[in-house]
Parts: sequence; structure tokens; C-alpha cells
Amino acid sequence: GENVEQHPSTLSVQEGDSAVIKCTYSDSASNYFPWYKQELGKRPQLIIDIRSNVGEKKDQRIAVTLNKTAKHFSLHITETQPEDSAVYFCAATTGANSKLTFGKGITLSVRP
Amino acid sequence: DTAVSQTPKYLVTQMGNDKSIKCEQNLGHDTMYWYKQDSKKFLKIMFSYNNKELIINETVPNRFSPKSPDKAHLNLHINSLELGDSAVYFCASSPHGAGELFFGEGSRLTVL
Repeated sequence: GENVEQHPSTLSVQEGDSAVIKCTYSDSASNYFPWYKQELGKRPQLIIDIRSNVGEKKDQRIAVTLNKTAKHFSLHITETQPEDSAVYFCAATTGANSKLTFGKGITLSVRP
Repeated sequence: DTAVSQTPKYLVTQMGNDKSIKCEQNLGHDTMYWYKQDSKKFLKIMFSYNNKELIINETVPNRFSPKSPDKAHLNLHINSLELGDSAVYFCASSPHGAGELFFGEGSRLTVL
């Protein structure tokens, strides 16, 4: 089955700096890669996703890049703000009605 | 209007008891899920139903029994609760078993 690894497990950045979170996956058939943000005590919420036919996607301060050859994808957050502090999960799946496998999550702390 | 709602939000019970968590979604989605989030924040899928039909059943003890009376509801019943069952249980839904997962607020189960 799919295995999603997330590195590092914690990340601390200064407000205004950029943050990059990397994930690797094992199943070359995976074709959908979402990122979820979970604030303390809240539910996970989708912040951005990418499909395998696209190499990069941007939405304001966040972007995701996908390297299918190397089987890794990354979340980029620019101009970080304290409200970006949360746990971020990457995930991968091979398609509809298939299991969405999550990475173990990374705790991002943005220092004011 | 809450899109995915689950009750109860908190559940404290003794080992050996039986308990249920209920979930309802008003998004018109076909697919519903139960995820377990342990103390290390790892999100692990337990079950998935598509139009009341079980499509994903991970390696979960048979003390856990999901029930989907219709596509808008997915309940989770747990028999003979154990200490290791303590976790936050998230219900989620998605359209056609693909794309964004919409999570409920979570039900925190504490087994004493």
C-alpha cells in the first residue's frame, strides 16, 4: 500500500520568512496530493491540492510542487504569519474510492 | 449550517463499556469516512462508505462497527472499550469518494 513520509516533523520560522514542508510517497500510481492544515483543537481543513498532471499550483501565499519522477511533493508558504502556526498534513491517493494516506504531520511554529 | 456534524464532541467512559458516535453530513456527498487521530496526531483511516456500501475497511478490531443507514449518516459503535481506544475520532465526507475531505469537528473519546 501507499506510504507517505513527511519531513521534518517540526519546523520553526521567523514571521515573514518562508517555510517549506516536504513529503515523499511510495506508490507511483498515486495521482492526487492534498495538503491539510489543522489548528490546535480544530478539524483538518484542505488548504491546497495538486493532481499528477500538474507540476505546480499556487494560491496566494501557498504553493505546492510535485516531482513525479522522484515521488515527492512540497508545500511552500511565503511571508509566514503567526496564524500559519498549525500542524500540516500531506496525503496521497490513487483515485476515487481509494484510501487517502496521510503523512504523520509537521508542526509549524511561526515566531512573531 | 454545519456541513459535517458529529456527536458527542466529548465522551469519557470506563473500560469495557460500549459507546456510539454519530455523524451526519448535509453536503449531498456520496462518501463518508471515519478517521482516528491518536495522541501523536497521526490521522488513520478506519472505514469508508459510498452510498451506504462499505468500501474501505482497514485493519480495525471488530469491536468497531460502522453503520450507514443512508448516505448522509455514518455512525460508529465501539464495544468493550479499551484504554488504547482513547483518541479523537473524525468523521469526514467527500463527493464521489474523491477530492477534498470535509471533516467534522471531531469526537474526543477518553477511556479510563
